[in-house]
Amino acid sequence: QLQLQESGPGLVKPSETLSLTCTVSSGSISSSSYHWGWIRQPPGKGLEWIGIINHGGSTYYSASLKSRVTISVDTSKNHFSLKLSSVTAADTAVYYCARYVGTGGHNDYWGQGTLVTVSS
Amino acid sequence: QSALTQPPSASGSPGQSVTISCTGTSSDVGGYNYVSWYQQHPGKAPKLMIFEVSKRPSGVPDRFSGSKSGNTASLTVSGLQAEDEADYYCSSYAGSNNLVVFGGGTKLTVL
Repeated sequence: QLQLQESGPGLVKPSETLSLTCTVSSGSISSSSYHWGWIRQPPGKGLEWIGIINHGGSTYYSASLKSRVTISVDTSKNHFSLKLSSVTAADTAVYYCARYVGTGGHNDYWGQGTLVTVSS
Repeated sequence: QSALTQPPSASGSPGQSVTISCTGTSSDVGGYNYVSWYQQHPGKAPKLMIFEVSKRPSGVPDRFSGSKSGNTASLTVSGLQAEDEADYYCSSYAGSNNLVVFGGGTKLTVL
């Protein structure tokens, strides 16, 4: 069974860069059939799509976050990463990584999520 | 404000059926047959329940069904059970500029 696990700091200062990694196990991130992505959920609120990447490094980002987001992939370590720059309190959320299937896309496997708080 | 509009709440008694709507535009829900539905219990990650409007992943009970008409997609839960009480989110492909959009979520209460 494919598993995804997020890791990274739980506390980030305002104006700094949030960095998270998602490690994939029991499956290869190099499969051409899938993309790998990030979704976030502010406390008590709904889901927000951040972006996706494939094994070759092709990316798609949310229009609203595009200027601050970078998603990268390291196939040798079977993981992919998220960087979100110039964070504010509004970026406080549970960040999920997930596998994205197909062109139209749905997320069939999710990590457990990690809470990132932006505070000084 | 979410790109897709869902009612904030829905409810039904055990054994009954409930339908949750998800309204978008011709640029997302109405333009593609790529609507997904996710179930989320408190403190847990979302779980895929429906993809490509009406397809069920392996292991999802056939009590869950999806449909679409125009710019509105729907999730129907039949034979409500206590464990169906959760938040439900719809999602749609929205084209190459903003690939995926989510609804604001609907809290389903089993009375």
